[in-house]
Amino acid sequence: QQQVKQSPQSLIVQKGGISIINCAYENTAFDYFPWYQQFPGKGPALLIAIRPDVSEKKEGRFTISFNKSAKQFSLHIMDSQPGDSATYFCAASSKARLAGNQFYFGTGTSLTVIP
Amino acid sequence: NAGVTQTPKFRILKIGQSMTLQCTQDMNHNYMYWYRQDPGMGLKLIYYSVGAGITDKGEVPNGYNVSRSTTEDFPLRLELAAPSQTSVYFCASTRTGGKSGANVLTFGAGSRLTVL
Repeated sequence: QQQVKQSPQSLIVQKGGISIINCAYENTAFDYFPWYQQFPGKGPALLIAIRPDVSEKKEGRFTISFNKSAKQFSLHIMDSQPGDSATYFCAASSKARLAGNQFYFGTGTSLTVIP
Repeated sequence: NAGVTQTPKFRILKIGQSMTLQCTQDMNHNYMYWYRQDPGMGLKLIYYSVGAGITDKGEVPNGYNVSRSTTEDFPLRLELAAPSQTSVYFCASTRTGGKSGANVLTFGAGSRLTVL
């Protein structure tokens, strides 16, 4: 059972365009929602993260929008650049110590930004 | 500061062979994890550890074993390798606690395993 559902599986965007990746979750115990960026041959690295007490977080060209009632969150990449071409994973976790602070990942989105 | 170091980077195994993927972190992180990454499937948790001497199963533990004798090391053992274990394996670590409670996973570069 996929705890975090991510779409689309792949995305092609023109340089300068907006890339949007969506994720949905069911477990209301989740209280931390990070996005990870992975380049080929590398491990994932934290890009940006949000907690459910805010509806939006922006860092440079990257913005997370969070809808607690719908249990959905999305990553927006403004002015997409070829260097943004990578695989993006959304994730969710809970601070609950007994759960081992497990992170549940979406299935990933392969983003290609065309020059 | 090396972060999370995984060895080997690549390995080819024959069906039925055994091997150990090594993972070491130098950040004094208490939590460590092993994930496998398969195309279109995302990252699946195999095992995790909340501290030395404590390990627990994740989503896909069958065919694997782990140990955590020190804070730094978290090896993953594959017994009787099967083609279904062909994957890219990532070790990760994080420190819990702190005022914000936010936990950033630091990943290794991955180990690509092929079972033929």
